[in-house]
Amino acid sequence: DAMVIQNPRYQVTQFGKPVTLSCSQTLNHNVMYWYQQKSSQAPKLLFHYYDKDFNNEADTPDNFQSRRPNTSFCFLDIRSPGLGDAAMYLCATSRAGGGAYSETQYFGPGTRLLVL
Amino acid sequence: ILNVEQSPQSLHVQEGDSTNFTCSFPSSNFYALHWYRWETAKSPEALFVMTLNGDEKKKGRISATLNTKEGYSYLYIKGSQPEDSATYLCAFAGSQGNLIFGKGTKLSVKP
Repeated sequence: DAMVIQNPRYQVTQFGKPVTLSCSQTLNHNVMYWYQQKSSQAPKLLFHYYDKDFNNEADTPDNFQSRRPNTSFCFLDIRSPGLGDAAMYLCATSRAGGGAYSETQYFGPGTRLLVL
Repeated sequence: ILNVEQSPQSLHVQEGDSTNFTCSFPSSNFYALHWYRWETAKSPEALFVMTLNGDEKKKGRISATLNTKEGYSYLYIKGSQPEDSATYLCAFAGSQGNLIFGKGTKLSVKP
């Protein structure tokens, strides 16, 4: 089945130690998104790629970076994780349809990050 | 600041009960309203994408309505089943160019 895969499902890292979360998709979608969801909060968009074009949200901290080496894979790099970065990180994909953000987004199961 | 509100925050119903919850969003610069269902330990799953005022969509026992002029959408579940237990998220797409999610309504259906 076509899907969005996130690895690992759980990640424990130490304060200040760089960590990378990965996402892959078999849907061949142009657009890939990274969301952060902190406890009891709404998912919040960090950035997205439209093909190779990177789009950063204005309030995404510089500590968060992303790479998309090809259509299928996208990575979220947290350069120096702080305790406040503990959250669920969701990856999603969508087609590039004509209507902005009216295309269905397909989500992975998320990676829960714990910072010690 | 754009805000999407969902109510109630959580809901406990008995199997067989029908239920509904609300998503409130900005009534200006509207593009689309998304509903997702997120079961524990699974991926959020798209239910509906609604774009037109007055839209009504249905998927099995779940349906949704949209009022863009007053900025709300209702999600209805008829005859709730334990497998309907999940968090239901709505997300507003406007001219800001991204999806603004609500915090979700957590539904628990007791057998």
